[in-house]
Amino acid sequence: EDQVTQSPEALRLQEGESSSLNCSYTVSGLRGLFWYRQDPGKGPEFLFTLYSAGEEKEKERLKATLTKKESFLHITAPKPEDSATYLCAVQANTDKLIFGTGTRLQVFP
Amino acid sequence: DAGVTQSPTHLIKTRGQQVTLRCSPKSGHDTVSWYQQALGQGPQFIFQYYEEEERQRGNFPDRFSGHQFPNYSSELNVNALLLGDSALYLCASSLGTAHSNQPQHFGDGTRLSIL
Repeated sequence: EDQVTQSPEALRLQEGESSSLNCSYTVSGLRGLFWYRQDPGKGPEFLFTLYSAGEEKEKERLKATLTKKESFLHITAPKPEDSATYLCAVQANTDKLIFGTGTRLQVFP
Repeated sequence: DAGVTQSPTHLIKTRGQQVTLRCSPKSGHDTVSWYQQALGQGPQFIFQYYEEEERQRGNFPDRFSGHQFPNYSSELNVNALLLGDSALYLCASSLGTAHSNQPQHFGDGTRLSIL
């Protein structure tokens, strides 16, 4: 069965303290892995798509990487406005997205 | 460029009632997917519409039904509401033919509360 597991469930960082979020997946025939950011009371906001192992994408302080079993979202020198829940989702041989439960990130000054 | 819009933003219903939620996709998108997100959980796939037909369905009972209109907008209908249907209902749109891996863009959802 296709499955996505994210860790840690919650992460507290001081402003400027870099860290990484993990997304482990088990899927038959990965077509894409997607990272989203979700603020309270809002819908998920698209960040990145990764299609094959070894691929990397960057946007401001965020960098996403992909291997055959997991993806990492690296946050460099985070700011309080980076506080949000970060969701990982995979798309396999179907059109639906399978989401993890997310990592709640809190960055404090 | 308007993104995905959903209405209403909040809704309160009682058990046994029926509800209709609406979604307008992002400009240029032709595919609409619906998800249910319980508090503290990731979104769960309900179904997807493309060319006015249900293309795929998740593990939800047939109390959950939908429709897509010629202008690509969509409705989600839920009959015989249960307390467990309380959740954030998200609509996502994308551009794609079958088996497309284009990213899905989400609206801000409808918060449904069942009393």
